[in-house]
Amino acid sequence: SQKIEQNSEALNIQEGKTATLTCNYTNYSPAYLQWYRQDPGRGPVFLLLIRENEKEKRKERLKVTFDTTLKQSLFHITASQPADSATYLCALPPPSSSGAGSYQLTFGKGTKLSVIP
Amino acid sequence: NAGVTQTPKFRVLKTGQSMTLLCAQDMNHEYMYWYRQDPGMGLRLIHYSVGEGTTAKGEVPDGYNVSRLKKQNFLLGLESAAPSQTSVYFCASRYGTSVYQETQYFGPGTRLLVL
Repeated sequence: SQKIEQNSEALNIQEGKTATLTCNYTNYSPAYLQWYRQDPGRGPVFLLLIRENEKEKRKERLKVTFDTTLKQSLFHITASQPADSATYLCALPPPSSSGAGSYQLTFGKGTKLSVIP
Repeated sequence: NAGVTQTPKFRVLKTGQSMTLLCAQDMNHEYMYWYRQDPGMGLRLIHYSVGEGTTAKGEVPDGYNVSRLKKQNFLLGLESAAPSQTSVYFCASRYGTSVYQETQYFGPGTRLLVL
């Protein structure tokens, strides 16, 4: 079965710096990968989706890359602000061979980002 | 447009009691999901539904039942609560299975404590 690893449970960064979060996966090639943000006591909120044929996607201060050779996605927040402090989750659909359907997602455990003023 | 709402927000149960968590969405989404989130475990899928009248098991279905009698509602039932079911429960929905419809929209969560 697929395995998703967000290899930092927590990341502390100084305000104004670029935060880089990592999502690694094994055993298959997903058609896309999603990133969500979760604030304490709230549900996850969708941020970005990147497809297997896209190398990079941007949205305002956010940038996601997808390296299907390394089986890795990097999530960058440039000019980070204290308001960016949250837990960030990556999520992938199941392998097409699993029979699980394309409508499920498997989530990583998340990386808690703290931006220090 | 309220999005995805969950009822109740918080509940305390005694072991063996039963309860139903309600999820409602007003976006006309076909797919709905129930997850649980525990420290160190991340979000895990309990059950899901791909349309009115359908349900299917996810990764951790034991001890839970679900029903989707109306398209906008997805109910999660605990017949006999156990302390291991102490968790935060999230409902989510998704418009459809097509490309560009993959985003899941989450509710605010229900915090459940089983004593």
